Amino acid sequence: DIQVTQSPSTLSASIGDSVTITCRASQYIGYWLAWYQQKPGKAPKILIYQASSLQTEVPSRFSGSGSGTEFSLTIDSLQPDDLATYYCLQYNSLLTFGGGTKVQIK
Amino acid sequence: EVQLVESGGGLVQPGRSLRLSCVASGFAFKNYGMHWVRQAPGKGLEWVSGISWDSGNKAYGDSVKGRFTISRDNTESSLYLQMNSLRDEDTAVYYCAKDYGDWNYGLDYWGQGTPVTVSS
Repeated sequence: DIQVTQSPSTLSASIGDSVTITCRASQYIGYWLAWYQQKPGKAPKILIYQASSLQTEVPSRFSGSGSGTEFSLTIDSLQPDDLATYYCLQYNSLLTFGGGTKVQIK
Repeated sequence: EVQLVESGGGLVQPGRSLRLSCVASGFAFKNYGMHWVRQAPGKGLEWVSGISWDSGNKAYGDSVKGRFTISRDNTESSLYLQMNSLRDEDTAVYYCAKDYGDWNYGLDYWGQGTPVTVSS
């Protein structure tokens, strides 16, 4: 089974900062990784698929990069609405989620 | 507009069974894989099970293998999860999610979830 390690588990940043979340897969997964945003009490929402493709209607301040085993999600110019928990998902071999990163506003 | 509406959750005793349902609308259900994902209280997301567009492929997470069964009815645009031998650790919100493709292409749309509580 493929394991996915996500870091950090918690992140505090100020409005306007650029923040980066990383995911590392335990084996090669190509570009088969997605990123999700989940707000409290809500279902997850897709942000990025295939490592770097922005889902329709997602703000352009969100971007994804990486391939193979190392991936990152960057939020440029952090906004109050970005307060949420973010998850990566590998789908190269079945599905495995990362542990999540809670983004807090300083 | 894609909509996924789960139902069937509730309070159940350990060892008993429960069947979850998910009704889909707004897309050609018969062409897409579907999945169940759960989230225990205060915890992260865990993939539970997935099924291909034609039911030819089914897969399960290790924690539910042998106890849960996924199925679908393309004529009814419905997805199901039969949960047997339930344990305390199965307590979670269960989400139905649509695959980007016919099988294992990631998840795009999610339902709002149905809560399951396993407790005596």
